[in-house]
Amino acid sequence: QSALTQPASVSGSPGQSITISCTGTSSDVGGYNYVSWYQQHPGKAPKLMIYEVSNRPSGVPDRFSGSKSGNTASLTISGLQAEDEADYYCSSYTSSSAYVFGTGTKVTVL
Amino acid sequence: EVQLVESGGGLIQPGGSLRLSCAASGFTVSSNYMSWVRQAPGKGLEWVSVIYSGGSTYYADSVKGRFTISRDNSKNTLYLQMNSLRAEDTAVYYCARWSLRNWTFDYWGQGTLVTVSS
Repeated sequence: QSALTQPASVSGSPGQSITISCTGTSSDVGGYNYVSWYQQHPGKAPKLMIYEVSNRPSGVPDRFSGSKSGNTASLTISGLQAEDEADYYCSSYTSSSAYVFGTGTKVTVL
Repeated sequence: EVQLVESGGGLIQPGGSLRLSCAASGFTVSSNYMSWVRQAPGKGLEWVSVIYSGGSTYYADSVKGRFTISRDNSKNTLYLQMNSLRAEDTAVYYCARWSLRNWTFDYWGQGTLVTVSS
């Protein structure tokens, strides 16, 4: 049950686009389309941003999009805004009926 | 409105036991998959355990044999019994609902802090 691999930090200027990667294995990310992305502000609970690789819950801006290729999933934030500064985590269902989260990425808006 | 409220956290000595509760409203716990997820101070999210609607349970290797997930259908409440606690179990513990419709953790509680220290 090793954590999925994410870059520790990603930064961008307001209005720019950034992409966060999430690399797993064929037993988790590559084997299922049950990849989600969560946003977490300091001291707050995680908030669902993307589910089933590329679907947005109601209320999440369409600036957030997700995709997957092989064992790597990605979250793209287009038109970066100040309020997007937060930690982001990916997660996946796994073949052992368990769940695994990514190592987390701190997004900084310059 | 769906709501999850955790309680039961606190300071406990190594080797001690603690039971966390997660009171749910707006949906039926027993009809859903429910999980516990923890976050050590300054660290990332770590999945801990899940209980399926049918009653099957699964655990992360790091807590297997020490933690037990359960639910009380009459109280619509999820529990996590934590035994043989270690310093590395220190974390904020969140309960979360796994949506069978969207295959994701769609609702989270606010978390309860467990500190294991002498």
